[in-house]
Amino acid sequence: GAVVSQHPSWVICKSGTSVKIECRSLDFQATTMFWYRQFPKQSLMLMATSNEGSKATYEQGVEKDKFLINHASLTLSTLTVTSAHPEDSSFYICSARPLGRTDTQYFGPGTRLTVL
Amino acid sequence: AQSVTQLGSHVSVSEGALVLLRCNYSSSVPPYLFWYVQYPNQGLQLLLKYTTGATLVKGINGFEAEFKKSETSFHLTKPSAHMSDAAEYFCAVSFQGAQKLVFGQGTRLTINP
Repeated sequence: GAVVSQHPSWVICKSGTSVKIECRSLDFQATTMFWYRQFPKQSLMLMATSNEGSKATYEQGVEKDKFLINHASLTLSTLTVTSAHPEDSSFYICSARPLGRTDTQYFGPGTRLTVL
Repeated sequence: AQSVTQLGSHVSVSEGALVLLRCNYSSSVPPYLFWYVQYPNQGLQLLLKYTTGATLVKGINGFEAEFKKSETSFHLTKPSAHMSDAAEYFCAVSFQGAQKLVFGQGTRLTINP
């Protein structure tokens, strides 16, 4: 149980295009999902906290208009990288917190984005 | 501000040897503490966590960690390393009622045959 999926697992796009990444909790409901960014050989940096039915909370320094987050249901959150540029190339990981839990997050397998 | 420090960005041990990965945190309130493992190009897998109760926590794959409040530490150990343990390990902390996980810098564990 407690499986989180991400789609796609990897994506290559041209500079200036937008890319959508999906994060799904497959066997549990999650009112809260988190989006992280990880550069090569570095730690995870929290980008934003996504709450079902409300606006996401972004960390300081993260551009809201650049990284659009939608949490439309208790099992799905999406991250859209708008007008992507090469510096947006990174590994994006989501996690989901089960309904009613405060001590656990389950992580997705990650999405590798390469912007040419 | 809460923070997590992992001592040693790279640890190398021989197969069968003791694994010790160090983690210290700073916090003014009782934390929840976690260890995650990440294999190349994959997400994070929870090894173990401490929330309340017994300070020695046993996790998957033979790993365990001990919460020492006086030392503000949560070091990860495994008595005998296996080749499959080679990966990146992250210590993380969150706080009761808080949403966020704060991660340490990560420690890359290499196992020598």
